[in-house]
Amino acid sequence: SYELTQPPSVSVSPGQTASITCSGDKLGDKYACWYQQKPGQSPVLVIYQDTKRPSGIPDRFFGSNSGNTATLTISGTQAMDEADYYCQAWDSGTVVFGGGTKLTVL
Amino acid sequence: QVQLQESGPGLVKPSETLSLTCTVSGGSISSYYWSWIRQPPGKGLEWIGYIYYSGSTNYNPSLKSRVTMSVDTSKNQFSLKLSSLTAADTAVYYCATTEALSLGMDVWGQGTTVTVSS
Repeated sequence: SYELTQPPSVSVSPGQTASITCSGDKLGDKYACWYQQKPGQSPVLVIYQDTKRPSGIPDRFFGSNSGNTATLTISGTQAMDEADYYCQAWDSGTVVFGGGTKLTVL
Repeated sequence: QVQLQESGPGLVKPSETLSLTCTVSGGSISSYYWSWIRQPPGKGLEWIGYIYYSGSTNYNPSLKSRVTMSVDTSKNQFSLKLSSLTAADTAVYYCATTEALSLGMDVWGQGTTVTVSS
């Protein structure tokens, strides 16, 4: 079965750039999306089709996807961005989630 | 804007079958893909499966033998049945939707907590 691998945790200082990676075999050939989940809340889609932002998502969120790695980049990270982030892709019609990355802003 | 609301029992006994319903408001269920996702306590997201409004389904291979999904267009609801429950099925269960498979799931319900215990 297809697997997506994320680092368990990433730390960033306020105002700096955070990068969260998601690795999978030939992931660049598939569409990747990213979800943000804060404690006690439902996930929120922040990036879809590799690079697109849904309406209402701040423009400091960027996505890219090439080769075997998709990356979520948050520029000018704010305290409110502290959350768990999950990548997701479709493989043979099934949904696959990464294990999640806890982003700490400190 | 479509909104989703899960409903079902909060406590189910081992070996029994879990039945959950997701009610769609603010839009019609007669389009889009309708998914179930779960999250065990302190763990990540696990996709259970989706059903298209026409009734076609696709399930997580690891759960396929225990999962059945259905859609009731007259009630604007879709449902999940998960059989042969064990403690490992204890989780928050979410319903979610997407217009197309490549777009990501852009609307989620608030989630419902299910505990499997005798």
